[in-house]
Amino acid sequence: EAGVTQFPSHSVIEKGQTVTLRCDPISGHDNLYWYRRVMGKEIKFLLHFVKESKQDESGMPNNRFLAERTGGTYSTLKVQPAELEDSGVYFCASSHVGLDLLYFGPGTRLTVL
Amino acid sequence: QKEVEQNSGPLSVPEGAIASLNCTYSDRVSQSFFWYRQYSGKSPELIMSIYSNGDKEDGRFTAQLNKASQYVSLLIRDSQPSDSATYLCAVSVIGANSGYALNFGKGTSLLVTP
Repeated sequence: EAGVTQFPSHSVIEKGQTVTLRCDPISGHDNLYWYRRVMGKEIKFLLHFVKESKQDESGMPNNRFLAERTGGTYSTLKVQPAELEDSGVYFCASSHVGLDLLYFGPGTRLTVL
Repeated sequence: QKEVEQNSGPLSVPEGAIASLNCTYSDRVSQSFFWYRQYSGKSPELIMSIYSNGDKEDGRFTAQLNKASQYVSLLIRDSQPSDSATYLCAVSVIGANSGYALNFGKGTSLLVTP
């Protein structure tokens, strides 16, 4: 069974540019989460999808971040325009039921210069 | 702010010893508690979950939960060099729309020396 995959693994962009991160959850997992780890800080919750619906987006930092989950399958997280403080590792995680057996993807390391 | 606190370490133990990792949390209504292991440059991997007060054992790992003290711990018996990693404590919190999310601690770095 394939795990959670994320693309790209690394992205280096300049301040003001746009970046789109993609996450493919484990097949059949209705729950999809985005988390972010900024250097020196803990992993922080961004948002939670149940199928194609946003269950909770209270962790999204501001309106420069937009997440979508087309047809309840893969998800994208767009940052537009990117700022220096957006640098970090963005993790996607999926589960069949809630928080139990939450599987994390390898993460996308975003560097904003 | 609902927080999860861990000693960042590094915690160094000799091979074969017991490693003890601790975590405290601030949200009294939290019901689910998890320990994740993260190797450098890799994704977090779930190793233990615990929901009730007391101990839960799985192989060389034992999770301990004390909700009154808001304290979770992880014991690793017969520590091996391959256990060297960062251990993340995660606590469930109720988010918007009654959904659940995880609050993570910063993690404790464990080094098992041969």
